[in-house]
Amino acid sequence: NAGVTQTPKFQVLKTGQSMTLQCAQDMNHEYMSWYRQDPGMGLRLIHYSVGAGITDQGEVPNGYNVSRSTTEDFPLRLLSAAPSQTSVYFCASTKMGNYGYTFGSGTRLTVV
Amino acid sequence: GQSLEQPSEVTAVEGAIVQINCTYQTSGFYGLSWYQQHDGGAPTFLSYNALDGLEETGRFSSFLSRSDSYGYLLLQELQMKDSASYFCAVRNRDDKIIFGKGTRLHILP
Repeated sequence: NAGVTQTPKFQVLKTGQSMTLQCAQDMNHEYMSWYRQDPGMGLRLIHYSVGAGITDQGEVPNGYNVSRSTTEDFPLRLLSAAPSQTSVYFCASTKMGNYGYTFGSGTRLTVV
Repeated sequence: GQSLEQPSEVTAVEGAIVQINCTYQTSGFYGLSWYQQHDGGAPTFLSYNALDGLEETGRFSSFLSRSDSYGYLLLQELQMKDSASYFCAVRNRDDKIIFGKGTRLHILP
């Protein structure tokens, strides 16, 4: 099992560009989420999904879109990148009723 | 609203015991969990408490008091490899899993 796979690992964007961060898991987890991590701010929830076809906003959803067309995939879209979106992004998943996340290895994004 | 409070830094000596506290305020509560993150790495799950009391997993233990909205992570027989950041997290009634800002644990030889 690969666990949670995030791509790319590193990305540099110019202000105004759009891109999609990919996240896939092979553990049949219903629950998937995206977090961003900035120094001193901990992990902040962007969007989450409790199953295919269902998504909801987290603490900091502005500037990001998600979709959940399959159980396995949960891509995060940056619509028009801004320097404030420079961060490390983590995707995580777990079974519903199980409260221990499995995290991907992260994507380090820089917006210039 | 919801919030989790934990100390930003804790320092302890190798071989000693350290406790990292977490207080929370949330809309609905379905359990407190703890994660470890080494520099440059991803968080890894350590423990979960849904009910009051102490859960022990090897050198790590986690405690929860639902009436006090309080929990802690206890690390015993500290090793240098335990130097990391530790996060508490709660799941609320909207199924959101919210993290604290993390506690940086420094271990002195």
